[in-house]
Amino acid sequence: QSALTQPASVSGSPGQSITISCTGTSSDVGGYNSVSWYQQHPGKAPKLMIYDVNDRPSGVSNRFSGSKSGNTASLTISGLQAEDEADYYCSSYTSTTTLVFGVGTKLTVL
Amino acid sequence: QVQLVESGGGVVQPGRSLRLSCAASGFTLTSYGMHWVRQAPGKGLEWVTVIWYDGNNKYYADSVKGRFTVSRDTSKNTVYLQMSSLRAEDTAVYYCARDDDGNSRYSRFEYWGQGTLVTVSS
Repeated sequence: QSALTQPASVSGSPGQSITISCTGTSSDVGGYNSVSWYQQHPGKAPKLMIYDVNDRPSGVSNRFSGSKSGNTASLTISGLQAEDEADYYCSSYTSTTTLVFGVGTKLTVL
Repeated sequence: QVQLVESGGGVVQPGRSLRLSCAASGFTLTSYGMHWVRQAPGKGLEWVTVIWYDGNNKYYADSVKGRFTVSRDTSKNTVYLQMSSLRAEDTAVYYCARDDDGNSRYSRFEYWGQGTLVTVSS
């Protein structure tokens, strides 16, 4: 199972919006509404930000939103804040009853 | 409250075995699927394996299939990852995570442990 494709890095200024894409295939992202997004700060465990494409766990800011079209899912962060600077990973359930993560995207808040 | 605590990491020679533990508290393993996810130094997340809530269904990444085995002891509320024939490329921080997706579609890892580092080196 190949890792999902994400841009290596994105950046934005405080207050701006950014979008991170996550591209897979019809056997994972395109085939299931089981796409999640995780935020990871250096030296910390990942934190769930979005699940089932566009649902937010309790306590996660509504500045974070998700969507999907075909084989590509997206994470949008609006009103960028300094604390949003982190690595972001998408994940998707697959047709072989496994899970695949994206390669990760480093978000820099300028 | 929900807590996951991994242990068992360390330095091991190539070809040897190691067993990791994930002690769970605040919930029972019979109600949740449990996953192992690893992260090589400076690299991204890699899914390793899952044991479903029923304890019978287990799935593995191709990279560890045949070498790693996931199991659990419900009396100790602990999940294990038995790793054998270890390779240098297995060097990583290993996290356990609880799957809150009631449909067993692995989409909701709300709770993670702190991770345990495994280093495979001679």
